[in-house]
This record gives sequence, C-alpha cells and structure tokens, in this order.
Amino acid sequence: KAGVTQTPRYLIKTRGQQVTLSCSPISGHRSVSWYQQTPGQGLQFLFEYFSETQRNKGNFPGRFSGRQFSNSRSEMNVSTLELGDSALYLCASSLGRAGMGYTFGSGTRLTVV
Amino acid sequence: KQEVTQIPAALSVPEGENLVLNCSFTDSAIYNLQWFRQDPGKGLTSLLLIQSSQREQTSGRLNASLDKSSGRSTLYIAASQPGDSATYLCAVDGGGSQGNLIFGKGTKLSVKP
Repeated sequence: KAGVTQTPRYLIKTRGQQVTLSCSPISGHRSVSWYQQTPGQGLQFLFEYFSETQRNKGNFPGRFSGRQFSNSRSEMNVSTLELGDSALYLCASSLGRAGMGYTFGSGTRLTVV
Repeated sequence: KQEVTQIPAALSVPEGENLVLNCSFTDSAIYNLQWFRQDPGKGLTSLLLIQSSQREQTSGRLNASLDKSSGRSTLYIAASQPGDSATYLCAVDGGGSQGNLIFGKGTKLSVKP
C-alpha cells in the first residue's frame, strides 16, 4: 500500500514569488491536512480538506491557500513568499473520521531567499 | 485552548537503557493521542495511536500510556538502541478549531553506542 507522497522534496524560491506544493494521500483516504514545521514554532496546522471542501483552517494569512481534487490529491499554494515562509511543509492523510489517526508524508522543504 | 508540552526537550542515554518520554496536555476532551518519530529533515512516522477510551498501546519495544483525566501520556522505550535516536513528538486530536492535531515541541533523543 503506497504511503503519502509529497512533491517536490525541495524547493528554493525568491521573495515575492509563489509556490505550489502537492500531496497525494493513501488510496481510500479522503482527508488531507497540511502543517508547517519551523524550528521556532514547531508544527502548526494550516488547513484540512475533505472531499474537495476545506473543513478546517488554522491561523495563517490568506497567502496560504489550498485545494483538493476529486481523486483526493491536494495542493497547497503560498503567494508573495516571505523569508519567514521557509519551512518543512508536511501533509497528513486520514480517512477523515474523528479519531482514526494520521499518516504523514516526507514533506517538502521550502527555502525562500 | 489546547496546549501540549513534552518533557524533557532533549535526552541522551547510553545504549541498552530503558527510558520514558513525557507528554502533557491541558484539555482532556480529545479523540486520541498519537506518538510520532521524526528523523532529521524527514517526515513523521507514526509509532502508536491511543484512543481516548484506551489506557495503553504496545508495539515491539514501545509502550505508550494515556491518562486522559490527568492530561498525561508517556512513551516507554525498552532496551534503547542507537537507531532509536530521533525526535519524538506527541500530538492530541481534539478535532476542534485549533486544527486536527496539536503537537508538542518534541523530545530529541540521542542513544550513544
């Protein structure tokens, strides 16, 4: 059974640019959640998509957005990149029912210069 | 607001020791608690998932307990090995407005040969 696939693994972008990250969940999982991990703040929740609808959202500015496709694959977009957006972005896959647990991908390391 | 604390922040032990990692949370209204392992620059690997109705879970040399009423969980690692060196994260799933998983800052474990 394939795990959670995140692409690309590494990205280097310039301030002001935008970036799109991709996450393919485990087959049959309908929920995809996104997290940002930085040394200072740790892991912080960005948003969750379930059946193509945003179901939950963390406390991040509107520059961070996402979407989910009918095959449950999800993309996350960050516009007008800032140096502080440099982080490891992780997505988590789940069945979408409360208490079922989450499986994480290997992450995308974004560096903004 | 749910807060998750992990103590200690770092731990260094000789190979073969049994050790305990601690996790505490402020709001007992959780669906479950999940322990993860993270190797440097990598994603999260799920170790154990304890439902709110359970007291403990075991997998190999790992045993996790949950005391929901006191807001505490412990991860017990028996006969530690150098390969156990990693950062261990606990996360509670409250399914609430803060997001799906609320993480602690982690315990960085180093097991010396």
